[in-house]
Amino acid sequence: NAGVTQTPKFRVLKTGQSMTLLCAQDMNHEYMYWYRQDPGMGLRLIHYSVGEGTTAKGEVPDGYNVSRLKKQNFLLGLESAAPSQTSVYFCASTDSGDNEQFFGPGTRLTVL
Amino acid sequence: AQKITQTQPGMFVQEKEAVTLDCTYDTSDPSYGLFWYKQPSSGEMIFLIYQGSYDQQNATEGRYSLNFQKARKSANLVISASQLGDSAMYFCAMREGYSGNTPLVFGKGTRLSVIA
Repeated sequence: NAGVTQTPKFRVLKTGQSMTLLCAQDMNHEYMYWYRQDPGMGLRLIHYSVGEGTTAKGEVPDGYNVSRLKKQNFLLGLESAAPSQTSVYFCASTDSGDNEQFFGPGTRLTVL
Repeated sequence: AQKITQTQPGMFVQEKEAVTLDCTYDTSDPSYGLFWYKQPSSGEMIFLIYQGSYDQQNATEGRYSLNFQKARKSANLVISASQLGDSAMYFCAMREGYSGNTPLVFGKGTRLSVIA
């Protein structure tokens, strides 16, 4: 039982490049979330999904897109990376009745 | 307006002493949940404790307890008998509504340093 995994763990991009971050969970959770963490800011919600095929915007969605084609996977895309997107990205999942959001290990992204 | 406020950017505590990390929250929803997570220097988010708005008793998990004062809208984390391994960032978070699908809103965190 791997829990929540994130790929890749580290990435360096140049401004304007695109990439996709993959989040996978093996707990059959319905709900999945993408957060970003910047120094002194705590975690802020980017996008989330309440089920396969559904997505919704969070607090800081600009510059990101997401897809939830399979229940176990939640993808976060950056179409044209900007230095302001340098951050640590966390994926999380949970289900009804859970009193915990389970977090992945994070992806450290640097945009030059 | 901030929904979760952690007013202590940094705290120091002597090993084996107890420490309280402050958290206040703001919501008009009668159903909500309060969470504390620990983030060590390695970066992972570790769930510590949960308190539901309708829970009558304060939550406890080992050395962690949540001092829930509903009228004051505070949910302070108490760590008893601090250990060196408790040195980390601590985040308070809230989920509004009864359903588990509502995203968490996080505070900015408190960095705890345990001194030998």
